[in-house]
Amino acid sequence: SQELEQSPQSLIVQEGKNLTINCTSSKTLYGLYWYKQKYGEGLIFLMMLQKGGEEKSHEKITAKLDEKKQQSSLHITASQPSHAGIYLCGARGYQKVTFGTGTKLQVIP
Amino acid sequence: DTGVSQDPRHKITKRGQNVTFRCDPISEHNRLYWYRQTLGQGPEFLTYFQNEAQLEKSRLLSDRFSAERPKGSFSTLEIQRTEQGDSAMYLCASNPRVASGGKSSYNEQFFGPGTRLTVL
Repeated sequence: SQELEQSPQSLIVQEGKNLTINCTSSKTLYGLYWYKQKYGEGLIFLMMLQKGGEEKSHEKITAKLDEKKQQSSLHITASQPSHAGIYLCGARGYQKVTFGTGTKLQVIP
Repeated sequence: DTGVSQDPRHKITKRGQNVTFRCDPISEHNRLYWYRQTLGQGPEFLTYFQNEAQLEKSRLLSDRFSAERPKGSFSTLEIQRTEQGDSAMYLCASNPRVASGGKSSYNEQFFGPGTRLTVL
């Protein structure tokens, strides 16, 4: 079965700083999702990557999938308190998504 | 609001009681998924439906769990004889079939706000 490992598990940054979250898969990724979750709430879709070397950006968040399609990174530029939450990567399977354990991000004003 | 909705948002029950959760997917979404998320973990797949057919069930779904989607629209997840280990967030998601080049594929899953279950 496919396993996803995220690092770091938690992160505290000062407002305005940049940060990177990594997601490593035990198997080749056929699609990689990034979601954000606020405590006690559902998941908000951020981006989906499919092709090796693909990179997508939305506002101040950029996600990349490596050429071998086993690692992805999520980069936030000039972090804001609104970026705080849990970031989850998910591997797209034929019938379901397999999620990593998440990275908890706190942004200190 | 045209997103995925779940009801109730919170449920507190005593061990041994039965509980039922409801999920209303986005209209016309063929696939509906149930996930369970415990504290500090990512969501874990439980089961999914394509229209009214339940096509896969995880090993996590014990005999005490049953899910239905009778008319291919809303779905219910019932847990019988609840145990403290059932305490978790139960998430529902849906996605549409996307036709591309004569083939169907499924992309983004849209998640509901979840139902948080606490078993005392």
